Amino acid sequence: DIQMTQSPSSLSASVGDKVTITCRASQSVTPNLNWYQHKPGKAPNLLIYATSTLQTGVPSRFSGSGSGTDFTLTISSLQPEDFATYYCQQSYRTPPTFGQGTRVENK
Amino acid sequence: EVHLVESGGGLVQPGGSLRLSCATSGFTFSDYWMYWARQAPGTGLMWVSRINIGGTIPTYADSVKGRVTISRDNAKNTMYLQMSNLTVEDTAVYYCAKGGQYFTSPWDSWGQGTLVTVSS
Repeated sequence: DIQMTQSPSSLSASVGDKVTITCRASQSVTPNLNWYQHKPGKAPNLLIYATSTLQTGVPSRFSGSGSGTDFTLTISSLQPEDFATYYCQQSYRTPPTFGQGTRVENK
Repeated sequence: EVHLVESGGGLVQPGGSLRLSCATSGFTFSDYWMYWARQAPGTGLMWVSRINIGGTIPTYADSVKGRVTISRDNAKNTMYLQMSNLTVEDTAVYYCAKGGQYFTSPWDSWGQGTLVTVSS
């Protein structure tokens, strides 16, 4: 199985901050790296797919980059509704696997 | 608008069985791969199972293989997960998700989940 490792596991930030989350795969997963946002009691929400393509309806402050085994999710200016847990996922090989999640908390 | 609604969760004793359902609307169900994932308490998301468009190729995580069966009824726009011989480690919120037309596609819509609690 492809292991996905996110860092950090949690972070504290303020509204307006730039936030960067990294995801490392145990082998190349290009281009099938996706990012999801998950809030407690809600359905997970696809933010970015295929490394850098913004899902329809997702604000442009979210962006994704990377290739091979190293990927990044960036929130350019954190908004109140962005406090949540973020997961990377590889859909390149079976089984699809998720990172352990990065919890973004209000400082 | 795409909607996925899970049902069938609840409290079950170890060794028991449950059937989860995922009712969908707002898209052509028969055109997409479908998935089950779960989140155990205090942990992250984990893939459980997937089924192809025609319902002929089910795939399972090693942790549930032999104990769960995924199926879909394209006429009813509904997917199912039959779970048996449940253990306390199966306690989780179970989510269904809509994939794409290929198994490498992202999961672009999810339900809000149904809670399965395995306890004596």
